[in-house]
Amino acid sequence: GDSVTQMEGPVTLSEEAFLTINCTYTATGYPSLFWYVQYPGEGLQLLLKATKADDKGSNKGFEATYRKETTSFHLEKGSVQVSDSAVYFCALSVVSNDYKLSFGAGTTVTVRA
Amino acid sequence: EAGVAQSPRYKIIEKRQSVAFWCNPISGHATLYWYQQILGQGPKLLIQFQNNGVVDDSQLPKDRFSAERLKGVDSTLKIQPAKLEDSAVYLCASSLGLDYYEQYFGPGTRLTVT
Repeated sequence: GDSVTQMEGPVTLSEEAFLTINCTYTATGYPSLFWYVQYPGEGLQLLLKATKADDKGSNKGFEATYRKETTSFHLEKGSVQVSDSAVYFCALSVVSNDYKLSFGAGTTVTVRA
Repeated sequence: EAGVAQSPRYKIIEKRQSVAFWCNPISGHATLYWYQQILGQGPKLLIQFQNNGVVDDSQLPKDRFSAERLKGVDSTLKIQPAKLEDSAVYLCASSLGLDYYEQYFGPGTRLTVT
């Protein structure tokens, strides 16, 4: 079946540090890949997406590149801020499964001033 | 554009009681999803509707959970009777349709069963 494995947390960083959260996937078809973010007390928000190999999704300074050869979609940000403190979820969907989302377990990121 | 609305935001009940959650999707979105998010885990799909029909309820514990989407707009998810392990955040999401991968999530309802 389709599944996502992401780096366990929690991750604690200082402001302006570099952030990487690893994500790898297993899919029966050709998946679309997503990063969702959940700020404290809020619902999930789509952070970025990529729908085909070598695509780079980017938003709010975050980037992730769809790597088919390594089945990975790692999230990166060059200089984090306190406001980036949140839980980050990697997810995938495939058209053969009506685009239902399969999520990783989430990685909690805390950025200290 | 208004987002996905959910209520209540928080609910505390005792085990064996019943509870209901309400979701109003984004206007014009045909597909509606209910997810269960247990603390420390990613959301797990419970049920998916297309308009007022069920597309997938394979992960819904049907002995205690039920959901409906009358008139293809609002949806209600019910648990009866609740168990301790049902403590979780229940998320509602919607999308334009089955051919659209982008889902929009509501704020969720945090259920605590004591």
